[in-house]
Amino acid sequence: QVQLKESGPGLVQPSQTLSLTCTVSGFSLTSNSVSWVRQPPGKGLEWMGAIWSGGSTDYNSALKSRLSISRDTSKSQVFLKMNSLQTEDTAIYFCTRSSGQLYYVMDAWGQGASVTVSS
Amino acid sequence: IQLTQSPSLLSASVGDRVTLSCKGSQNINNYLAWYQQKLGEAPKLLIYNTNSLQTGIPSRFSGSGSGTDYTLTISSLQPEDVATYFCYQYNNGFTFGSGTKLEIK
Repeated sequence: QVQLKESGPGLVQPSQTLSLTCTVSGFSLTSNSVSWVRQPPGKGLEWMGAIWSGGSTDYNSALKSRLSISRDTSKSQVFLKMNSLQTEDTAIYFCTRSSGQLYYVMDAWGQGASVTVSS
Repeated sequence: IQLTQSPSLLSASVGDRVTLSCKGSQNINNYLAWYQQKLGEAPKLLIYNTNSLQTGIPSRFSGSGSGTDYTLTISSLQPEDVATYFCYQYNNGFTFGSGTKLEIK
């Protein structure tokens, strides 16, 4: 059974760094890709970036200077780090899976981690 | 590529045929998917590659389109279809539309 679960702090202070972990089960990170997608309260979805099955990464150009995605395949975990957080980064952060012929399409999502940026 | 969805809000009756639109700022080359997001839940993949139905999705959902213009159709609206629907393109970068909120009249 494919599962993804996000974890991390619910509250981050402005200008600080957000660190989130996505722990996956039911599939391998070496043959599947993981993307991060976020959703501000009451708003739409934004693709943030991905770590592909081969280990390379791609980032949304609007976030590239602040964002880093990495993984530990032995622990089945993917990590998101984003620095210089501002209030507009308040959102639900989802980790997602893409696999097989759906290489760029997210077919499984975590429940989401709510992050509030506030002092 | 920017995606424009219309309408932003759609109210329809149970049993109606419903059509949601997604228009790209450039050619999407059929690399378009549709997601359904119910209140408080993560999005769920419905359609990929314009018209391929994801496993387990009811056949009342279908997709069509080409070039810059794409459509999600629900052939007979059910109460459980109340949700916000997002289109997503993966032809050039990765972007989502702003969503269409579907409610029952």
